[in-house]
Amino acid sequence: GNSVTQMEGPVTLSEEAFLTINCTYTATGYPSLFWYVQYPGEGLQLLLKATKADDKGSNKGFEATYRKETTSFHLEKGSVQVSDSAVYFCALSEGGGYNKLIFGAGTRLAVHP
Amino acid sequence: EADIYQTPRYLVIGTGKKITLECSQTMGHDKMYWYQQDPGMELHLIHYSYGVNSTEKGDLSSESTVSRIRTEHFPLTLESARPSHTSQYLCASSEVNRGRVDQYFGPGTRLLVL
Repeated sequence: GNSVTQMEGPVTLSEEAFLTINCTYTATGYPSLFWYVQYPGEGLQLLLKATKADDKGSNKGFEATYRKETTSFHLEKGSVQVSDSAVYFCALSEGGGYNKLIFGAGTRLAVHP
Repeated sequence: EADIYQTPRYLVIGTGKKITLECSQTMGHDKMYWYQQDPGMELHLIHYSYGVNSTEKGDLSSESTVSRIRTEHFPLTLESARPSHTSQYLCASSEVNRGRVDQYFGPGTRLLVL
C-alpha cells in the first residue's frame, strides 16, 4: 500500500541554519504531495504542496520539489528561525476523489537562538 | 484561513462516560475526516465522510462512531470512554473538486480519560 517515510527527529538547529527534512514515499499512480506543520497546541496547517512531478511547492521560505525518479519530497529552508520550531508532517493524497491523506510519522524541529 | 472548528479543545473525563467531540466547518466542503494523533505524533485516519448521510471507517480501527446529518457538522461519539481513548483528535475537511485536494484542519481536541 501507499506509505510515507520521514527522517526521524528531533532535529535541533541554531537560528539561521539550513534545514532539510527528508521525505520519501511509496505510491501507485501519481499522488499529490504535501507538507503540513503543527505548532504546539494547534492543529495542522498546510505549508506547501505539489501535485505533479517536478513541481516545486514553496511558502514562508520553505521549499520542496516533487521528485518522481527518487520518490522524494524533501523539505528545505535556507535560514530557520526560532518561530519555525514545530512538528512537520509529509503526506500524500491517494486521489481517486477520496482525498485521503497518508501521513509520515512527523519530524519535530527545535530551533535555538 | 480555514474555518473549521472543534469543541471542546480539552476534555478530561472519567471511564465509562459518553462523550461527543464536535467539528464544524463553514466552507461548504463535502468531505470531512477525523484523525487520531498519538502522543508520539503519528496521525491515523479513523473516519471520513463524502457528504451528508455518508460515513466510512478509516485506516485505524476505532470504537468511536460518527454521523453526518448536515454538511457543516461531523461529530464523533464515544459511547463509553476508556483510558485507551486518551489521544488528540483532529477534524479536517476538503472540497470535492479533484483539482483542489487540500485538507483543512481544526485545532484539535485533546482527550484525557481517567
